[in-house]
Amino acid sequence: GQNIDQPTEMTATEGAIVQINCTYQTSGFNGLFWYQQHAGEAPTFLSYNVLDGLEEKGRFSSFLSRSKGYSYLLLKELQMKDSASYLCAVISGNYGQNFVFGPGTRLSVLP
Amino acid sequence: GAVVSQHPSRVICKSGTSVKIECRSLDFQATTMFWYRQFPKKSLMLMATSNEGSKATYEQGVEKDKFLINHASLTLSTLTVTSAHPEDSSFYICSALQGPATNEKLFFGSGTQLSVL
Repeated sequence: GQNIDQPTEMTATEGAIVQINCTYQTSGFNGLFWYQQHAGEAPTFLSYNVLDGLEEKGRFSSFLSRSKGYSYLLLKELQMKDSASYLCAVISGNYGQNFVFGPGTRLSVLP
Repeated sequence: GAVVSQHPSRVICKSGTSVKIECRSLDFQATTMFWYRQFPKKSLMLMATSNEGSKATYEQGVEKDKFLINHASLTLSTLTVTSAHPEDSSFYICSALQGPATNEKLFFGSGTQLSVL
């Protein structure tokens, strides 16, 4: 089976930088997604990592270390609208048939 | 790294209409692509295997007349949801296999959120 862990809640200040960690244990790793989800809405795709290293997209960056079973999502220049849940999801299996979400991290951005 | 582009990222349509989703491998040729459906906070469900130049192989329980798959070239597979209904509303993701059989890697598109009204 898979085991995915994220901090439950985080708080940060507008304009700051925050790092949300995700650790996982799985076999047949095929990739890791980060999603943003506002209350009552479907998750929105943020990033996808399958190779080690840092992927940067504007204010958002995602890092993966497969050997450590570790990923983080980095959010820069925080805005109030970034208050949301952030979910990491791990895909595994020969054909990516196993897709499991982590428990999610609730981020609150304060003025 | 290899990139798989999926479009559109979000589509809203009326009940009874058809919706086409494209999956492209941008910097490699993919003889095999996969289509998945994901319900909120649940596991990804493999719908079908798309093979270039031949008919797709559908998983049990997936209606092949409802979800038409065309893999006409080595870089493009399309999924058409025909006569869509509200229960078809879901998150659809594709993936593409890169490399020889001895060292295959799987790359995913970013998904399409389909909402049928």
